[in-house]
Amino acid sequence: QAGLTQPPSVSKGLRQTATLTCTGNTNNVGYQGAAWLQQHQGHPPKLLSYRNNNRPSGISERFSASRSGDTASLTITGLQPEDEADYYCSAWDSSLSAWVFGGGTKLTVL
Amino acid sequence: EVQLVESGGGLVQPGGSLRLSCATSGFTFSSYWMSWVRQAPGKGLEWVAYIKQDGSEKYYVDSVKGRFTISRDNAKNSLYLQMNSLRAEDTAVYYCARPWDNWGQGTLVTVSS
Repeated sequence: QAGLTQPPSVSKGLRQTATLTCTGNTNNVGYQGAAWLQQHQGHPPKLLSYRNNNRPSGISERFSASRSGDTASLTITGLQPEDEADYYCSAWDSSLSAWVFGGGTKLTVL
Repeated sequence: EVQLVESGGGLVQPGGSLRLSCATSGFTFSSYWMSWVRQAPGKGLEWVAYIKQDGSEKYYVDSVKGRFTISRDNAKNSLYLQMNSLRAEDTAVYYCARPWDNWGQGTLVTVSS
């Protein structure tokens, strides 16, 4: 089952803006959008956004998601040290009848 | 407060079996699809299995089909994963999740002789 494609790493400076991408196809990201998850080392994932730009309560407005065709994006503004983490995207694949995850992007805040 | 607590992980020999459990509270368990996700040491997240509210539909990643079985007991607000014919590559932290807004802390499964 093919996964979604994410860049392995992104590095940005403190207070800068980072945009993470997640590429799938018409059966997954292009179908119902993607969810974005943040995971700090040694902790379970935390949902940041679902179905493109719906933020759960308690998630900072610095995190915003969007989609263009088969590619989903997560933009993090005003980067803080605590934003340094692994970020995963996920989508339901309607042709595979399976959830697919991206390989994850390690965000480093310089 | 939503809580998901996994148990049942441990060290098992290749070819062996384990049953993971996930006790939930703080929400109407019977109203939600539930899932298991795993993470091998130093690796990314991998979806494992998914079950409908009443257990009538189940989906699995190809690598576990025929070996793992997801189930649930709505009366006990619990989710299960029966893992048979375990392989070294099944070694991972296994998370119980309500896709994807709530996750447990995970339970470690190590398959090694």
